[in-house]
Amino acid sequence: ELKVEQNPLFLSMQEGKNYTIYCNYSTTSDRLYWYRQDPGKSLESLFVLLSNGAVKQEGRLMASLDTKARLSTLHITAAVHDLSATYFCAVAASNNDMRFGAGTRLTVKP
Amino acid sequence: GAVVSQHPSWVICKSGTSVKIECRSLDFQATTMFWYRQFPKQSLMLMATSNEGSKATYEQGVEKDKFLINHASLTLSTLTVTSAHPEDSSFYICSAIPLAGDTDTQYFGPGTRLTVL
Repeated sequence: ELKVEQNPLFLSMQEGKNYTIYCNYSTTSDRLYWYRQDPGKSLESLFVLLSNGAVKQEGRLMASLDTKARLSTLHITAAVHDLSATYFCAVAASNNDMRFGAGTRLTVKP
Repeated sequence: GAVVSQHPSWVICKSGTSVKIECRSLDFQATTMFWYRQFPKQSLMLMATSNEGSKATYEQGVEKDKFLINHASLTLSTLTVTSAHPEDSSFYICSAIPLAGDTDTQYFGPGTRLTVL
């Protein structure tokens, strides 16, 4: 069974600082997703990573995928308050089922 | 871009009643749609995979007779919560995979918040 572990679950950081969220998964997959969720809202797609070594960047967020280590990272650079949200990684199984990590609740403080 | 809508966005019902939630892909066709449930401050849990023209595939622990899924067309899937109880109160989110184009991405609906009194 595909399991996805995310850490940390809670992250409080100062504006301007850098930090990384980690996502490990248990079985082979070549599709990994990062989503953002604001309170009371649905999911906003951030990144789709489709191959080993894939790296994508959008603004202050950068995601990478290492399929051999079964690890993806979401790196936050020079955090700003607007990035406060819950971030989920999700891994697609062979039948397109998606398994989500527990989420990382990020709070960026001034 | 690919847009998925859900209706209603929120619903309050009495215990024992049934509630139907619609999930529509507005500008694309989808043979596969997914239904997720999210309890407060928790992650999304896949409930079932809905395939157009065939029976849905339910995840372990999800009662198929309680959560009825119908995927009658390439743009519409419905989830009916039958005889709802307070423990069914949750945020229900659907997603859809395009039949053509960006088939690697699931597009999520805005969610339906169900409160059962």
